[in-house]
Amino acid sequence: GENVEQHPSTLSVQEGDSAVIKCTYSDSASNYFPWYKQELGKGPQLIIDIRSNVGEKKDQRIAVTLNKTAKHFSLHITETQPEDSAVYFCAAPPRTGANNLFFGTGTRLTVIP
Amino acid sequence: NAGVTQTPKFQVLKTGQSMTLQCAQDMNHNSMYWYRQDPGMGLRLIYYSASEGTTDKGEVPNGYNVSRLNKREFSLRLESAAPSQTSVYFCASFRTPGLAGVGYEQYFGPGTRLTVT
Repeated sequence: GENVEQHPSTLSVQEGDSAVIKCTYSDSASNYFPWYKQELGKGPQLIIDIRSNVGEKKDQRIAVTLNKTAKHFSLHITETQPEDSAVYFCAAPPRTGANNLFFGTGTRLTVIP
Repeated sequence: NAGVTQTPKFQVLKTGQSMTLQCAQDMNHNSMYWYRQDPGMGLRLIYYSASEGTTDKGEVPNGYNVSRLNKREFSLRLESAAPSQTSVYFCASFRTPGLAGVGYEQYFGPGTRLTVT
């Protein structure tokens, strides 16, 4: 089955700096890689995703990169702001066409004002 | 649209008690999911229902049962609660039924915090 590993588990950055969170996956057939943000007391929310036919996707201050050969993908947040503080999860489906996701263990990001 | 709703928000049970967590979605999604979230372990899938009338086990199904009551509702039942089931439980629904090349956006409810003493 799929195994998704996420690093680091905690990350502190100064406001305005960049943050990078990395995930690796095991199943080369995985074709979709979402990132979720979870604020305190709430459920996770999708913030960006990437499919296996592209290497990078950007949405304002956040971007995701994918390296299919190495089987890893990363979340990049630039010009961090205090409201970026949250727990971030990566995920991947176990195989093409699967309708469930395996999640990483999460990264707690703290942006220090 | 309310999205995905869950009840209750908080619950305390004694070991051996039973309870049912309720979940409903108003987005006309086919697939629904139950996850548990524990510190340092991320989100682990308990059960899911790919469509009305079907249910399948996830990574950690032991001690749980589910019912897909209709397209909107998917409930999770603990027949005999154990302290190991202390967790935060999330229900989610899925925008598309896993078609190849289509995204897997899952919408999550606000969670139920369950404590078993």
